[in-house]
Amino acid sequence: AQKVTQAQTEISVVEKEDVTLDCVYETRDTTYYLFWYKQPPSGELVFLIRRNSFDEQNEISGRYSWNFQKSTSSFNFTITASQVVDSAVYFCALKTSYDKVIFGPGTSLSVIP
Amino acid sequence: DGGITQSPKYLFRKEGQNVTLSCEQNLNHDAMYWYRQDPGQGLRLIYYSQIVNDFQKGDIAEGYSVSREKKESFPLTVTSAQKNPTAFYLCASSIDLTGQGSFGPGTRLTVL
Repeated sequence: AQKVTQAQTEISVVEKEDVTLDCVYETRDTTYYLFWYKQPPSGELVFLIRRNSFDEQNEISGRYSWNFQKSTSSFNFTITASQVVDSAVYFCALKTSYDKVIFGPGTSLSVIP
Repeated sequence: DGGITQSPKYLFRKEGQNVTLSCEQNLNHDAMYWYRQDPGQGLRLIYYSQIVNDFQKGDIAEGYSVSREKKESFPLTVTSAQKNPTAFYLCASSIDLTGQGSFGPGTRLTVL
């Protein structure tokens, strides 16, 4: 069975602090895709990153970075020097082959000025 | 600009009435999806469609129906059989079922 766990329900940080959002997934498939989405208060989901199971390179995009470790089935997301505009709910998601996307429960991040 | 539109943004319905939520995309994507989001929870898949005139049930299809007569459109009908329809509904599309998906702005449905 496929499953995505985001153990942190809510996180609060002070502006400019670094914060890491955890994501642990379960799947028996060898080919799969992992995603992170941001949902600001407006409600629309914004795609952040997609990673396939054969590419374990970590990625950095500005203040965002992702750490993919197959050995621990984790795909963690770090925001460096957080800003108030980063306040949102963040979802990690898993897609296996041609199956549907499974979303984690989300982590609500509040960045306090 | 390419994207997904959902209308209306807010929708109110009396108990016992059917209501149809619109979803249109001009991204030329083959796959389209409907998700339901309840407060403090993740997204749950209602229905998805890989190509025109074909669709499959997701995890919570009971009380919902869809059609896919055109590539651009994937309307969702919330029927009176759906016992707890008040939720935020998100439509998405992707090039195929492996794509990351683009999401619409969502429709917030409230049953009075």
